[in-house]
Amino acid sequence: GQNIDQPTEMTATEGAIVQINCTYQTSGFNGLFWYQQHAGEAPTFLSYNVLDGLEEKGRFSSFLSRSKGYSYLLLKELQMKDSASYLCAAMDSNYQLIWGAGTKLIIKP
Amino acid sequence: GAVVSQHPSWVICKSGTSVKIECRSLDFQATTMFWYRQFPKQSLMLMATSNEGSKATYEQGVEKDKFLINHASLTLSTLTVTSAHPEDSSFYICSAMVRDTEAFFGQGTRLTVV
Repeated sequence: GQNIDQPTEMTATEGAIVQINCTYQTSGFNGLFWYQQHAGEAPTFLSYNVLDGLEEKGRFSSFLSRSKGYSYLLLKELQMKDSASYLCAAMDSNYQLIWGAGTKLIIKP
Repeated sequence: GAVVSQHPSWVICKSGTSVKIECRSLDFQATTMFWYRQFPKQSLMLMATSNEGSKATYEQGVEKDKFLINHASLTLSTLTVTSAHPEDSSFYICSAMVRDTEAFFGQGTRLTVV
C-alpha cells in the first residue's frame, strides 16, 4: 500500500535548527512536496523535490533520497512564526498526492 | 483526518472544450475551499478561495471567466476550465477547510489539453 510517515509533533527553540523527517512508500514516484500550515490558514507550498539532493530556499531546505524513500525539511534560525504544521506529500505514478498526517512544530523562546 | 475527494484524477481534453473538476468533502462540511494550480517543478499557486453560497475570490492574474468556480453546497466545489487551451495544461488541486482551523487537500487533477 501507499504510505507516508512523519512525526506527529516536534519542539524546538527559537534560533535553533530543526529537521522534520518524512518516509514514503508509493506506487511510482513523481516528486515530494512540503507544505506549511498555520492554524486557521490554508496550507502554503514550501518545496518540491523530484531529484535526489538538497534544495535550499533561504532558511528552509528540503532533501530527497529516492532510493531510501526519504525526505526531510530543514528549518534554520527558527522564529516564533515558524510554529505551524508541516505536511509532507508524495506524488505517485498517477499524479495523485499521498499525504502525511503532518508534523506540528512548536517553537519555544 | 478529514477526507477530500477530487475528481477526476486526470483528464485529457481537446482544445476549445470545457472541463469540470469536482472537489468534495466526504465526512465534513467545508465552508471554505481553495483551488490551486501547479506547473511542473514550480510552486503551487493559489487561484481562488471559494466560500459556500457566495462568489469566489480570485487571486490577481486569474481570469474569472476562464476558471469558473461554484461552491453550491457545504460539501462540493467545482472548478470549470472553459474553452481550454494547451497552456491550461497543469495540475489542479483543491483543499477544504475544517472548522476554520485545518485544511485537507484533494488528490489533485492532471489536466492535459491537446
